[in-house]
Amino acid sequence: GQNIDQPTEMTATEGAIVQINCTYQTSGFNGLFWYQQHAGEAPTFLSYNVLDGLEEKGRFSSFLSRSKGYSYLLLKELQMKDSASYLCAVSLTDSWGKLQFGAGTQVVVTP
Amino acid sequence: DSGVTQTPKHLITATGQRVTLRCSPRSGDLSVYWYQQSLDQGLQFLIQYYNGEERAKGNILERFSAQQFPDLHSELNLSSLELGDSALYFCASSPRVGGTDTQYFGPGTRLTVL
Repeated sequence: GQNIDQPTEMTATEGAIVQINCTYQTSGFNGLFWYQQHAGEAPTFLSYNVLDGLEEKGRFSSFLSRSKGYSYLLLKELQMKDSASYLCAVSLTDSWGKLQFGAGTQVVVTP
Repeated sequence: DSGVTQTPKHLITATGQRVTLRCSPRSGDLSVYWYQQSLDQGLQFLIQYYNGEERAKGNILERFSAQQFPDLHSELNLSSLELGDSALYFCASSPRVGGTDTQYFGPGTRLTVL
C-alpha cells in the first residue's frame, strides 16, 4: 500500500487560517484530491491537483509538490461550519481511478 | 447533494446474516466505487465497476461481492456478517475510469451488526 500521512487534529479560531499538510510515498502518482467530511456524512469534493503549484477556489486553496510528495490544503477566513474532517486522497496511474485515503485531519474551529 | 443515491440509509442486522446495499450513480457516470469507513480504519476502497465490468479490487473480503447492472446501478452484497463489518459503506461515481476523474460520494449506508 501507499503511505499517506496527515495530522490527526488541528484547532483554529473563527476567522483565522489553517494549513493541513499531507505527505505521501508512492510511485505512479496520478493526482491528489482533498475532500471534506462532516461526521456521519459523505465526503464532499474540495480540490484536485495533478500539476505542481497552487489551485485556488474561494476560501480554499490546495498546493502540490510532486517531487517532494507533499500537498497542503489552506482554509482561509475560517467559519464554524468548517469544523470537519479533511481527507487527503491519492490517485495512482495503475489503479483505474481508485483512491487511497489518508486517515483525515479533524479541524476544530472555536469561536 | 452529489446526485449519487444509496439505500437503505441505516441497516441493523445480526451476525451471520446477509444484506444488500444499493447505489445509483450520478446521471451519465459509468464508474461506481464502493468504500468502507470504520472508526479504526478510515476510508478503505473495496471495489470498482465501469460500465458493468469489474475494474479494480481493494481490500474486499471474500464474503463480500458486488455487481453493476445494465442500468448502471450497483449492489454490494455482504454475507456471513460479523461484528467487525459494522461500518459506513459509501458508494461513489465518476464519468469515466481513470485517476483524473473526480469521484462524487453518496450519503452512505450505516450498517450495524449485532
